[in-house]
Amino acid sequence: KAGVTQTPRYLIKTRGQQVTLSCSPISGHRSVSWYQQTPGQGLQFLFEYFSETQRNKGNFPGRFSGRQFSNSRSEMNVSTLELGDSALYLCASSLEGTGAYEQYFGPGTRLTVT
Amino acid sequence: GENVEQHPSTLSVQEGDSAVIKCTYSDSASNYFPWYKQELGKGPQLIIDIRSNVGEKKDQRIAVTLNKTAKHFSLHITETQPEDSAVYFCAASPTSGTYKYIFGTGTRLKVLA
Repeated sequence: KAGVTQTPRYLIKTRGQQVTLSCSPISGHRSVSWYQQTPGQGLQFLFEYFSETQRNKGNFPGRFSGRQFSNSRSEMNVSTLELGDSALYLCASSLEGTGAYEQYFGPGTRLTVT
Repeated sequence: GENVEQHPSTLSVQEGDSAVIKCTYSDSASNYFPWYKQELGKGPQLIIDIRSNVGEKKDQRIAVTLNKTAKHFSLHITETQPEDSAVYFCAASPTSGTYKYIFGTGTRLKVLA
């Protein structure tokens, strides 16, 4: 069974630009969550989607947005990039995502903002 | 608010010794507690988990214990090997319906050969 895939793996963007990251969950998984990982803040929850609906959102500014498609694939977008947005962005998928199901992570997208 | 504290932040052990990492959570309604191992350049990998109706779970050299009264859970690795060197994260799933995990700050484990 294929794992969670994320594209691209690496990105370099300039301050002020926008970026879109993509995540394909494990086949059959309907919940996709996104996390930001930085050395200083650790793993921080961005948002979770299930059946194309955002069910929860973390404490991030509105520049961070996401969506989920009917095939459960998900994208997240960051507009007006800031230097502090440099991080590893991780996507995780779960069967149902109710909190009691195993969550599996992808390899992440390393975003560098210059 | 929701919080998971993890200790220690770094841990060095000799190969063959045991390693213990501890976490404390704040939301008493949390019902699912996974542990992840993250190697350099990779995403976190689920290694073991425990649910609130169980006190202990073991999988070969790895075990997790849960004390719901004290809101503590711990990861135990026995007979450590160099390939166990990585960053380990604990997490707690708060009240059902919030659809998110709260992660600890991570423990960097170094197994010295």
